[in-house]
Amino acid sequence: RKEVEQDPGPFNVPEGATVAFNCTYSNSASQSFFWYRQDCRKEPKLLMSVYSSGNEDGRFTAQLNRASQYISLLIRDSKLSDSATYLCVAENYGGSQGNLIFGKGTKLSVKP
Amino acid sequence: ETGVTQSPTHLIKTRGQQVTLRCSSQSGHNTVSWYQQALGQGPQFIFQYYREEENGRGNFPPRFSGLQFPNYSSELNVNALELDDSALYLCASSSGIGSGNTIYFGEGSWLTVV
Repeated sequence: RKEVEQDPGPFNVPEGATVAFNCTYSNSASQSFFWYRQDCRKEPKLLMSVYSSGNEDGRFTAQLNRASQYISLLIRDSKLSDSATYLCVAENYGGSQGNLIFGKGTKLSVKP
Repeated sequence: ETGVTQSPTHLIKTRGQQVTLRCSSQSGHNTVSWYQQALGQGPQFIFQYYREEENGRGNFPPRFSGLQFPNYSSELNVNALELDDSALYLCASSSGIGSGNTIYFGEGSWLTVV
């Protein structure tokens, strides 16, 4: 079983749509979780951290369910500029910060 | 943008050769991590350096080695290159190894092994 699994997509949605990405992780001891965004042939960039209480940043909402070892990202009112690959990330328990376990990524394509 | 710079940005090597990739961390950052991202995959942790010492290593063979200099810049060396080493190599720096220290990625070095 992969340590961090996510649906590779692609998700093709029209502008203005709401889209949700899901991710599961296998290490129950992982403490920190993140969503990264990666544009084509670019480096990953931190989109947001994920907390058990859930957190929101504008059109983006992230949720963590520790009991189910499940992480989600919701994007409301999709923009063309949201087109990218979204990487689900868990910090490797027992490792140091910076030792991150990445999923393969979910590709999102927002169409006019 | 992130203050993390990597060189070279692109390079082509022949199978069996050796390569050195370089990374300058963001000012004030003493921790550097290296990741390999093959096409269609997420980044895979190679190893991390903290204050010039290796501080954790992923599932990569010994022909992947590195070091960190007193100014906290870092090198990744790969010996006996194989075709499967073709990937984007990402360097990330942070101001420490504890949780809560945001890491910043450089733009990466694209390595093609032919």
